[in-house]
Amino acid sequence: GQNIDQPTEMTATEGAIVQINCTYQTSGFNGLFWYQQHAGEAPTFLSYNVLDGLEEKGRFSSFLSRSKGYSYLLLKELQMKDSASYLCAVRVQGGKLIFGQGTELSVKP
Amino acid sequence: GAVVSQHPSWVICKSGTSVKIECRSLDFQATTMFWYRQFPKQSLMLMATSNEGSKATYEQGVEKDKFLINHASLTLSTLTVTSAHPEDSSFYICSAKRLAGERYNEQFFGPGTRLTVL
Repeated sequence: GQNIDQPTEMTATEGAIVQINCTYQTSGFNGLFWYQQHAGEAPTFLSYNVLDGLEEKGRFSSFLSRSKGYSYLLLKELQMKDSASYLCAVRVQGGKLIFGQGTELSVKP
Repeated sequence: GAVVSQHPSWVICKSGTSVKIECRSLDFQATTMFWYRQFPKQSLMLMATSNEGSKATYEQGVEKDKFLINHASLTLSTLTVTSAHPEDSSFYICSAKRLAGERYNEQFFGPGTRLTVL
């Protein structure tokens, strides 16, 4: 079966750093994606990892360890507008994306 | 580039009626489009994979006779919810995958369609 786990919700302070973890067990693996989704809107692409290691993109970084079935999304210098749901998704055979349940991040002043 | 549109953005219908949702890739060709459903406070659940010129592949538990998918061209896929009931009320999102050649064949998401069945 397919199983992707991430915390349901997290809270952090403006200006701080937050790490959102994602563990996965899937039949097949062809990359891991992180998306940001605001309520009522479509997901927007944040990052992609297919090889082990860290990918950095401005305030956002994503890490992958394929042997451990683990990834994290790191958000630095948090801003109020970063309050959103963050979705971890694994691409499996046929290009399908299997999504985790999403982590609702609240950024407080 | 890589813009995906959906129409309508929201729709309210009576129970028992059918509703058609369109998904278009505006500036690229997509041989494959995906349809997702998202209930409040939940993540996206893949419903089906739509391939241009062939039958859609449905995920387990999704009724193919209730959710009709047509992918008539490289830029358009439609999802028809037949005989809609209140439990079909949800946020329906499509995504389109660009043809091979991109670094990681990213999926591009449409803005979603909010369906409310009364």
